[in-house]
Amino acid sequence: QSVLTQPPSASVTPGQRVTISCSGSSSNIGSNAVNWYQQFPGTAPKVLIYNNNQRPSGVPDRFSASKSGISASLAISGLQSEDEADYYCSTWDDNFTWVFGGGTKLTVL
Amino acid sequence: QVQLQESGPGLVKPSETLSLTCTVSGGSINSYYWSWIRQSPGKGLEWIGYIYYTESTNYNPSLKSRVTISIDTSKNQFSLKLRSVTAADTAVYYCAGQEFSSSSGEFDYWGQGTLVTVSS
Repeated sequence: QSVLTQPPSASVTPGQRVTISCSGSSSNIGSNAVNWYQQFPGTAPKVLIYNNNQRPSGVPDRFSASKSGISASLAISGLQSEDEADYYCSTWDDNFTWVFGGGTKLTVL
Repeated sequence: QVQLQESGPGLVKPSETLSLTCTVSGGSINSYYWSWIRQSPGKGLEWIGYIYYTESTNYNPSLKSRVTISIDTSKNQFSLKLRSVTAADTAVYYCAGQEFSSSSGEFDYWGQGTLVTVSS
């Protein structure tokens, strides 16, 4: 059972927009920045969003994220087949541990 | 560009100790927090713990009693030991780095991961 709660899966058609939610508590999302990772099968996760809503260089602006209270969300617009991957939210928990969501498997139909 | 490479046995017997090493190249080992993160087959990510070059450590409370992370700055390596393993410890183990100066602590750098299977 992950500390942060994400939907296990999402399915969207190409060109559409999808939002992935991440729910936590006052000790983690409520008081710390949220980072998002993208992971393709058999590879290591990669930073997609850091500090709640910042994109590393090279990440398309189709990816955006926000945080409000104890929840965060990742939005992907103009979905492409190459966006099919697993997405994880993560943040520091004030109980002195890094925590992750359970991951959302995004399928592009 | 910082690169990480995990090494160690891919098979460990139950009740024994899992030992992995991560070699850091392309950057100063003194500028980052170094973590171990694992992913059980078909499951999500679990942070195990981190170490700083000063040998300061922090461990996931759920694993703290069985984990030791150490660092050898002269070799640009840090290591993981997980004692008394069971089948539940079977996972892909990643080493990862966070820039010390980052306010949001994102794991910028990852090794490619190494699968460790616990089985007799």
